[in-house]
Amino acid sequence: QQQVKQSPQSLIVQKGGIPIINCAYENTAFDYFPWYQQFPGKGPALLIAIRPDVSEKKEGRFTISFNKSAKQFSLHIMDSQPGDSATYFCAALRRGNEKLTFGTGTRLTIIP
Amino acid sequence: DAGVIQSPRHEVTEMGQEVTLRCKPISGHDYLFWYRQTMMRGLELLIYFNNNVPIDDSGMPEDRFSAKMPNASFSTLKIQPSEPRDSAVYFCASSFRTEQYFGPGTRLTVT
Repeated sequence: QQQVKQSPQSLIVQKGGIPIINCAYENTAFDYFPWYQQFPGKGPALLIAIRPDVSEKKEGRFTISFNKSAKQFSLHIMDSQPGDSATYFCAALRRGNEKLTFGTGTRLTIIP
Repeated sequence: DAGVIQSPRHEVTEMGQEVTLRCKPISGHDYLFWYRQTMMRGLELLIYFNNNVPIDDSGMPEDRFSAKMPNASFSTLKIQPSEPRDSAVYFCASSFRTEQYFGPGTRLTVT
């Protein structure tokens, strides 16, 4: 049973544009929502994370928007650069359980 | 800190052979996770430990897979006997207070 649905599967954006990746979850017990960035041949790297008591979190050019009532959260990348081209995974976890449930990933390509 | 360390980085073996993957978590982290990544199935959690004790091994695909964590600084994932369908990238991750950090992975190819 997939508990975190991620879309789109792939995304191509021009440099400077704002790619948006969306995730939806089912389990209302989840209370921690991280995003991971993975480059080819590397392990996933923690990018940014949010807890459900806030609706938005920004770190540099990366922003998470969180909608608790809709059980959805999304990643926005401002002023995207070719170096942002990677696969992005959303995930969810219930603190205390510590078991991350991952989305299926979005392959993002930023073209110059 | 050097981050999560995994060895070997690449492993090529023949079907039927035993394979042992190794992981050194970040010092001070109390959780350790083993994942497998393939194109078809994405990232799958195989097993995780808390304070060296296995908590959930429901993701281990079959009895050919086993994992141990003899101390806080070392864990192994063993496949015996290996099969071609075990070919994947295996990641180890560790965490303290929820944030999980992944190692660089071991790319396993079973011919």
